[in-house]
Amino acid sequence: DVKVTQSSRYLVKRTGEKVFLECVQDMDHENMFWYRQDPGLGLRLIYFSYDVKMKEKGDIPEGYSVSREKKERFSLILESASTNQTSMYLCASSVIQGPEAFFGQGTRLTVV
Amino acid sequence: GESVGLHLPTLSVQEGDNSIINCAYSNSASDYFIWYKQESGKGPQFIIDIRSNMDKRQGQRVTVLLNKTVKHLSLQIAATQPGDSAVYFCAEIPPDYKLSFGAGTTVTVRA
Repeated sequence: DVKVTQSSRYLVKRTGEKVFLECVQDMDHENMFWYRQDPGLGLRLIYFSYDVKMKEKGDIPEGYSVSREKKERFSLILESASTNQTSMYLCASSVIQGPEAFFGQGTRLTVV
Repeated sequence: GESVGLHLPTLSVQEGDNSIINCAYSNSASDYFIWYKQESGKGPQFIIDIRSNMDKRQGQRVTVLLNKTVKHLSLQIAATQPGDSAVYFCAEIPPDYKLSFGAGTTVTVRA
């Protein structure tokens, strides 16, 4: 059974904190994605990685960075958390040219 | 920039009826178009995809139609069941493989 695991379901952080969201997949997928989901806006792509140490900006990369040191792990970093980064964060993975992406259960981040 | 969008944010359907969910896309270079279903408290789950060189594909109780002339994608669900209540997203894979989603349609099934 394929699996994408996000390290936390719920997180509460303070404004200005550095926040790490971790995602691990066990399917040996090349592609990994980070999205944020907000009501009425759907899923917006933050960053995309197609290989170890490779990353591409998505539609809303400002305020975020990513790290992919190993194929199975893709981390999203909020350098200095702000209240407008309160959201649901979703990680996904897929094979290099495949249509099907597998999602984690999401991390609901609240920045206070 | 180009985006994938849905026509209606909500859809209410009587149990047993057929559902049709619509989506307009703008990136004509995309190779795949996909439908995802997201149930409450879960991540999106793949339902069905269609390649750009096709106009129809059928799965179990679902059919996806692609009209490239008007850049329109639809998902038809036959004999809608209570378990079909969810948010449905259309998505596309452009040449750079950055999987992009629309805003979603919330489907509510009435008993």
